[in-house]
Order: sequence, then C-alpha cells, then structure tokens
Amino acid sequence: GAGVSQSPSNKVTEKGKDVELRCDPISGHTALYWYRQSLGQGLEFLIYFQGNSAPDKSGLPSDRFSAERTGGSVSTLTIQRTQQEDSAVYLCASSLSGLREVEQFFGPGTRLTVL
Amino acid sequence: GENVEQHPSTLSVQEGDSAVIKCTYSDSASNYFPWYKQELGKGPQLIIDIRSNVGEKKDQRIAVTLNKTAKHFSLHITETQPEDSAVYFCAARLPLNSGYSTLTFGKGTMLLVSP
Repeated sequence: GAGVSQSPSNKVTEKGKDVELRCDPISGHTALYWYRQSLGQGLEFLIYFQGNSAPDKSGLPSDRFSAERTGGSVSTLTIQRTQQEDSAVYLCASSLSGLREVEQFFGPGTRLTVL
Repeated sequence: GENVEQHPSTLSVQEGDSAVIKCTYSDSASNYFPWYKQELGKGPQLIIDIRSNVGEKKDQRIAVTLNKTAKHFSLHITETQPEDSAVYFCAARLPLNSGYSTLTFGKGTMLLVSP
C-alpha cells in the first residue's frame, strides 16, 4: 500500500517568503507528526495531530510556524517569513494511533533551502 | 521532558565486524525505545524496538538491550554488511497523562560499513 508522501521533495525559497509543505499520511492513520531534521542533528519534534483533538504545538520554534490538518487526513506545515536557519529537511510521520507503542511511518521529507 | 543522548556520532567498521550504538535517556518514566534506520534521501524506518518490561530483544543480526536502572539502551548489529550503512536514530517515548505522547530522538549515528 501507499506510504506517507510529502511534497514538494525540494523547495528553494528566498528569505522572507512564506512556504507550505504538504503531507499525505497513510490512509486510516489518526496520528500525524511533523519533525525537523537539521544537518548533523536529530529529529526535532514540531507538532502532533491526534484525531479531532487539539494539536500538540509544543515543538514549534516560533510563531512563524503553523500547521493544519484538514479532514483528519492531509496536513500542511506553513512557515512564514522564512529565515536561513529554517533550512532543514522537514519530515512527516503518521501512525495508527498516538496511544501506546505504535510505529511511526515516515515520509521521505521535504528539503527546504532558504537563500 | 525527555532528553536522549546518542553516541557515537559516526562509526566506521569493516564488513563482518559488529557495531554498537549507545543511547541514554533522562526520564525514568519513559517506557518505549525504538530504533530507526535512515538511508540517504529517505525517511527513517523502524528496525527494532524494545519496551521497558524487557531487557533484550533480537531480530536476526540486530539486537537491542535496555538497562532501566542506568537509563541506557544499545543497538547491536552483528556481521555487518555494506547495506547496513545508514544513519541510525534511537528514541524514547515518555507517556503523558493524556495517554498520548511523542518520541524524543537522539542526534543519530552515521554507520559506514566498508567492504
């Protein structure tokens, strides 16, 4: 079956512009996560959606970052007024549930470069 | 919150040798510890996991050990092959009162297996 897909695979933008990154989770997965992976760093948690519950936004680094999940499926991560330090690979993952020890399936990521 | 430290950051071995990657965590309430493998240009993929009520788990050439007292866990790969070359991430799950939780990842270990 189809895995987690993300688009675009690569995004180059100029400092100050807004960008939108898209994630299509595995069908039926109620939990969706966004992570940021900077060069030489681990996976930094950004935001977590679980069903219809209010998202856990505790990992968002600034108010320039926001995310939505429409209809409990597709999610969009928006970065406003991008800065060079936003350059990273943005990974999306989904799981059947956020409960217990449920495997997270990752997408291939979007590589964002801010010039 | 949880903090996960991972060592070494890079590891080079000869084909056929064993490789060991070690992680420590800070919160004794963490109860689930997955390991992910990330190949170039791809998202991380779960390779093995261990729960806090188990001390060791094996899956063919891969094993994970957990020492709850010392709050550390390790990944062991035996008879390494060139295709094992990748970045490996450990993670820890800290359960929350809500029942839901996210994973905290280490910074990753780049494993290079030379033929």
